[in-house]
Amino acid sequence: EAGVTQFPSHSVIEKGQTVTLRCDPISGHDNLYWYRRVMGKEIKFLLHFVKESKQDESGMPNNRFLAERTGGTYSTLKVQPAELEDSGVYFCASNNRGDPSPEQYFGPGTRLTVT
Amino acid sequence: EDQVTQSPEALRLQEGESSSLNCSYTVSGLRGLFWYRQDPGKGPEFLFTLYSAGEEKEKERLKATLTKKESFLHITAPKPEDSATYLCAVRENTGFQKLVFGTGTRLLVSP
Repeated sequence: EAGVTQFPSHSVIEKGQTVTLRCDPISGHDNLYWYRRVMGKEIKFLLHFVKESKQDESGMPNNRFLAERTGGTYSTLKVQPAELEDSGVYFCASNNRGDPSPEQYFGPGTRLTVT
Repeated sequence: EDQVTQSPEALRLQEGESSSLNCSYTVSGLRGLFWYRQDPGKGPEFLFTLYSAGEEKEKERLKATLTKKESFLHITAPKPEDSATYLCAVRENTGFQKLVFGTGTRLLVSP
């Protein structure tokens, strides 16, 4: 079974530009999460989708970040316009609502560098 | 606000030298404490979930334990391939699913 995949693995953009990150969860997983790790800090929660609905977006830093999950399959996270402090590694995770075990399965991350 | 503190930040062991990593947490109601392993350039890989004080889980050379305030990850006779960053995370009993992570312990096991 394929794990969580993320694209691209690395993105370098200039301040003010737009970047879109993509996450494909494990097939059949209803829950999809976005997290971010900035340099030297802990991994922090951004938001949680249940299918196509946003269940919890309490971690989204500001309105420059837009997450979507149309159709309840893959998700995109757009940063527009990007700022220097947006640099970091963005992780996606998924799990299934029906599973008795709540662990979240993480993708390899997208490293975003804003210059 | 939930807090997770891991110590030490970094740990260097000789192969075969057992030790423990600590994760202290503060939550209003715990609905799971999770241990993950992360290798460079990869995402966190799930190891264990613990739910209540006194619970223990084992996997190969790793054993995780839980009290009301902290969790320990015991590593017995580690091998170089155990070198990684070990992350602790908690899920609060709020109905939401988000994980709150600590900053991790970087473990290096030398042959």
